[in-house]
Amino acid sequence: GQNIDQPTEMTATEGAIVQINCTYQTSGFNGLFWYQQHAGEAPTFLSYNVLDGLEEKGRFSSFLSRSKGYSYLLLKELQMKDSASYLCAVRLTSGTYKYIFGTGTRLKVLA
Amino acid sequence: GAVVSQHPSRVICKSGTSVKIECRSLDFQATTMFWYRQFPKQSLMLMATSNEGSKATYEQGVEKDKFLINHASLTLSTLTVTSAHPEDSSFYICSARDMGAGSNSPLHFGNGTRLTVT
Repeated sequence: GQNIDQPTEMTATEGAIVQINCTYQTSGFNGLFWYQQHAGEAPTFLSYNVLDGLEEKGRFSSFLSRSKGYSYLLLKELQMKDSASYLCAVRLTSGTYKYIFGTGTRLKVLA
Repeated sequence: GAVVSQHPSRVICKSGTSVKIECRSLDFQATTMFWYRQFPKQSLMLMATSNEGSKATYEQGVEKDKFLINHASLTLSTLTVTSAHPEDSSFYICSARDMGAGSNSPLHFGNGTRLTVT
C-alpha cells in the first residue's frame, strides 16, 4: 500500500514561519509535489522536489530527503491568506506516473 | 499556463439518476487524466486513471461499472456516475499533466464538481 502522512492541523501567527512535514512510504518515487487548497476550490501547485535538498520559491520552500522518505514545506512571513490546506503528493514511478496525495494539513493563520 | 476546465461546477440529482462530468485540457494535450474524489476535510483520493484511446485504470475499491470513464480525445475525459446514491455525494476533481512541458511539470486541476445526490 501507499502511505503518505501529514499532521492534520496546524496553527501559526501572522508574520511567523511554519514548517509542514510529510513522510511517505510508497511503491515508487518520481518526485514530491506540494499543493495549496482553499476550501471548496481545486488545489494549486506550490513546489516540487525530485532530488534531495531545498527548493526555494519566494515565501515558500520545500525540502526532500529520499533516504528518509521525508519532505517539508516551509512558509515564511505568514499572511492571513495562507490559511488553507496543504497537500503533499508523491508521483509514483509507473507508465502513467500516478500521483498519490497525503492526508493534508489544515493551516490556520491567526492575526 | 496549463488550464484544465471542469464542468459542471455543481450538480444536484435525484437518487437513481446518472450524472456526467466533463474535464477538458484547454491549451495542451493530455493522453492521461486523473479523477479524484474528496470528502469534506479529507484529502484527494485517486479513483482512476483515464487513458486516451484505451480503458481507464481503476484504483482498488472503485467500481468501474458505477464510475464510467471515457477519454474520447486528447483534450477530453468524462466521468459518469451511474445510478447515483446519496453516498456518492462528494467533490470530484479531474487533473492532467502537460506532457509537452517536461517531466517536472506538475498536475493541473480542474475546479471540481460538487455532486449532491438527494
